[in-house]
Amino acid sequence: GESVGLHLPTLSVQEGDNSIINCAYSNSASDYFIWYKQESGKGPQFIIDIRSNMDKRQGQRVTVLLNKTVKHLSLQIAATQPGDSAVYFCAERGGGGADGLTFGKGTHLIIQP
Amino acid sequence: DAGITQSPRHKVTETGTPVTLRCHQTENHRYMYWYRQDPGHGLRLIHYSYGVKDTDKGEVSDGYSVSRSKTEDFLLTLESATSSQTSVYFCAITGTGEGYTFGSGTRLTVV
Repeated sequence: GESVGLHLPTLSVQEGDNSIINCAYSNSASDYFIWYKQESGKGPQFIIDIRSNMDKRQGQRVTVLLNKTVKHLSLQIAATQPGDSAVYFCAERGGGGADGLTFGKGTHLIIQP
Repeated sequence: DAGITQSPRHKVTETGTPVTLRCHQTENHRYMYWYRQDPGHGLRLIHYSYGVKDTDKGEVSDGYSVSRSKTEDFLLTLESATSSQTSVYFCAITGTGEGYTFGSGTRLTVV
């Protein structure tokens, strides 16, 4: 089964509101997590990452929260804009090294005007 | 994406024919990866490479082989394409094991 998954396949939010996309993972040995944005016909685009020794990391309009106790990851997007409409994936790297990432199935973020 | 190029961008091929996809990077990164993306499955790892002539299998490696004779090129070969290999293929690179960068993808259709 999936090592990393997302709770909702689609999330609809009003323009200007904050968006929260959630992700659950099952590999307690995972030490690094990334959020990607993918627009139609394009490759995944890096948004923000976080190492397992951190609980929170902020970027421009985005924040990633990591709760290792319940193996939960979330992406918060502030003041959602039409350009934020895309599919968002969380991904994990298990146990160090560079053996590649394991991805969830994605959440489609829809922005309502 | 800057520093990573996939070719071709689109390909239609017949069942049973060999197909090679190319990933080229100009970042001199050590690690390279091939993923496939299918509806309902997200991205799944096919093969990866730690360096020249150093490759390993990923989650869905059956029916695929890879080669890396130069740091900048990572080739994915379907020896005998099947309809189940119709997919979008993405290459990714990283120099440190973090901040993986993806290419724009190759859409492969096997008819």
